[in-house]
Amino acid sequence: NAGVTQTPKFQVLKTGQSMTLQCAQDMNHEYMSWYRQDPGMGLRLIHYSVGAGITDQGEVPNGYNVSRSTTEDFPLRLLSAAPSQTSVYFCASRRSGRNQPQHFGDGTRLSIL
Amino acid sequence: AQSVTQPDIHITVSEGASLELRCNYSYGATPYLFWYVQSPGQGLQLLLKYFSGDTLVQGIKGFEAEFKRSQSSFNLRKPSVHWSDAAEYFCAVGASKAAGNKLTFGGGTRVLVKP
Repeated sequence: NAGVTQTPKFQVLKTGQSMTLQCAQDMNHEYMSWYRQDPGMGLRLIHYSVGAGITDQGEVPNGYNVSRSTTEDFPLRLLSAAPSQTSVYFCASRRSGRNQPQHFGDGTRLSIL
Repeated sequence: AQSVTQPDIHITVSEGASLELRCNYSYGATPYLFWYVQSPGQGLQLLLKYFSGDTLVQGIKGFEAEFKRSQSSFNLRKPSVHWSDAAEYFCAVGASKAAGNKLTFGGGTRVLVKP
């Protein structure tokens, strides 16, 4: 049972490059989210999805795009990377319903030069 | 808007000693509260959660947390710390009526365990 799988684990980009962070879950969870983690700021929600074909913005959506064509996958796209996007990115999923906890992937450490 | 404050950025504790991590939240309605632990290079693992009922919640790895509505707090405790408890701990609050994943996290508390 793989849970939430994120790829790649590490990536270095140059300013202006584009990239897609992959996230896949095999638990048939309806809800998926992307967070970024920065020192002293905890995790901040970037985008989330409550089901295939439905996405919405979180707290810090600027500079990121998402899509949800299948239940399993929720890729995060950086269209033009900026140094401010250097961070650790976590994907999470959970079942629908108020009481359901998030299951997190192991993260992608992204550096923008 | 909901918010979470973890006043302690770092805590150092001796192995075998007790541990308490503070968490204060701000939310207008009944909160859904969580504690997560993150080991170095890993994702977040759920320790425990509170939604309603008994205000003392038991979690995994010997952790417990107490919800105090009057103090807007949800402090995490462990009676006797093990070296493997060295990690970063995050408190989070969830909106009770959210259709999405609107968890708000505190800034985290890093726990160091001395032998």
